Amino acid sequence: AQSVAQPEDQVNVAEGNPLTVKCTYSVSGNPYLFWYVQYPNRGLQFLLKYITGDNLVKGSYGFEAEFNKSQTSFHLKKPSALVSDSALYFCAVRGGTDSWGKLQFGAGTQVVVTP
Amino acid sequence: DAGVIQSPRHEVTEMGQEVTLRCKPISGHNSLFWYRQTMMRGLELLIYFNNNVPIDDSGMPEDRFSAKMPNASFSTLKIQPSEPRDSAVYFCASRQRLAGGSSYEQYFGPGTRLTVT
Repeated sequence: AQSVAQPEDQVNVAEGNPLTVKCTYSVSGNPYLFWYVQYPNRGLQFLLKYITGDNLVKGSYGFEAEFNKSQTSFHLKKPSALVSDSALYFCAVRGGTDSWGKLQFGAGTQVVVTP
Repeated sequence: DAGVIQSPRHEVTEMGQEVTLRCKPISGHNSLFWYRQTMMRGLELLIYFNNNVPIDDSGMPEDRFSAKMPNASFSTLKIQPSEPRDSAVYFCASRQRLAGGSSYEQYFGPGTRLTVT
């Protein structure tokens, strides 16, 4: 079985400061990892993914994430947060043995960026 | 591309009524997923289709829920009869799945906010 943990319900950060949203996972085989963002009253938007290759993945809106196999983590980062980054962020994982692409989503982390 | 289209965006109905939610996936995508989002349970996968065939419906909560995908460009999620605890936001997502299981990201629709009174 595959699972995702987002240990923080909410992350508060001041505008201009670095932002980190944590994610750890458990899967069979090599993981496929994703980050999505959800703005109020909107659907989830894809930010970035790790499938293979470089452990540092760059995505939309200046976000990046680092895959760490030994720590089974895939933390989302942004060097300088904007107020407009305030949203709900979801980490998702698909196990390498799952050929149908079924994703397991974390519970989500609310990011609040204050001016 | 217009993205994943869902209708209606909002639905308010009375307990016991039938509710039908609709989804049009992105053209060319061959996998379709239905999710439900609530504060209590977060994002739950209800059912997913590949090439219009249901692959896994283990997430469907009860027999009151059913889903169909008659063709590559349309899917429905039906609740009959509806109950207040079905109140949630229902999302449809689609994906291009390549032979061999290569994983591409899912693209989500805007969701249908269902309120059952």
